[in-house]
Amino acid sequence: AQSVSQHNHHVILSEAASLELGCNYSYGGTVNLFWYVQYPGQHLQLLLKYFSGDPLVKGIKGFEAEFIKSKFSFNLRKPSVQWSDTAEYFCAVNAFDGGSQGNLIFGKGTKLSVKP
Amino acid sequence: NAGVTQTPKFRVLKTGQSMTLLCAQDMNHEYMYWYRQDPGMGLRLIHYSVGEGTTAKGEVPDGYNVSRLKKQNFLLGLESAAPSQTSVYFCASSYLRHGSPGELFFGEGSRLTVL
Repeated sequence: AQSVSQHNHHVILSEAASLELGCNYSYGGTVNLFWYVQYPGQHLQLLLKYFSGDPLVKGIKGFEAEFIKSKFSFNLRKPSVQWSDTAEYFCAVNAFDGGSQGNLIFGKGTKLSVKP
Repeated sequence: NAGVTQTPKFRVLKTGQSMTLLCAQDMNHEYMYWYRQDPGMGLRLIHYSVGEGTTAKGEVPDGYNVSRLKKQNFLLGLESAAPSQTSVYFCASSYLRHGSPGELFFGEGSRLTVL
């Protein structure tokens, strides 16, 4: 069964620091990849997505992610975080494995706290 | 344009009671999902549907049933609620893209407490 691993449970940064959140998945075939953000008390919102093409994907609010197929990774980055980026971040993967194309699996999330 | 709407938003049940959560989407999406979110566990897929009249099990289907009689609605039922089902439930929908789902559009969540 496919799985998604987010290695950092809680990351604490100061404003203007750079961010990289790790995401690895366990499937060797074709995948669609997503990062979502959940601000406190809200539902999940899409940050960025990868379907095909350029493995460096740019999303909203200055976030980007790089798909490295050989490492089964889709890490999220931002060069300079702001206090308003405090939220929980989720990586999600949809793997194409025959009858379960609809099955979209999330990682356990990484909480980001940005100190002003 | 409402997007994905979940009802009710809050509910308190006693152990053994039954209830149904309703999800409605107005985007003509093929795919619909029910997830539960628990602290430290992320989002876990309960059931999903790839089209009207179809359903499939996710990671944690036990204790839940679903139905998709109409394309725009996806119902999640708890036949006999247990305290372990205390959680926040999110419905989501997605369009069909080359035989697989695109990105998910989420509802605002339903907080269920089972005493």
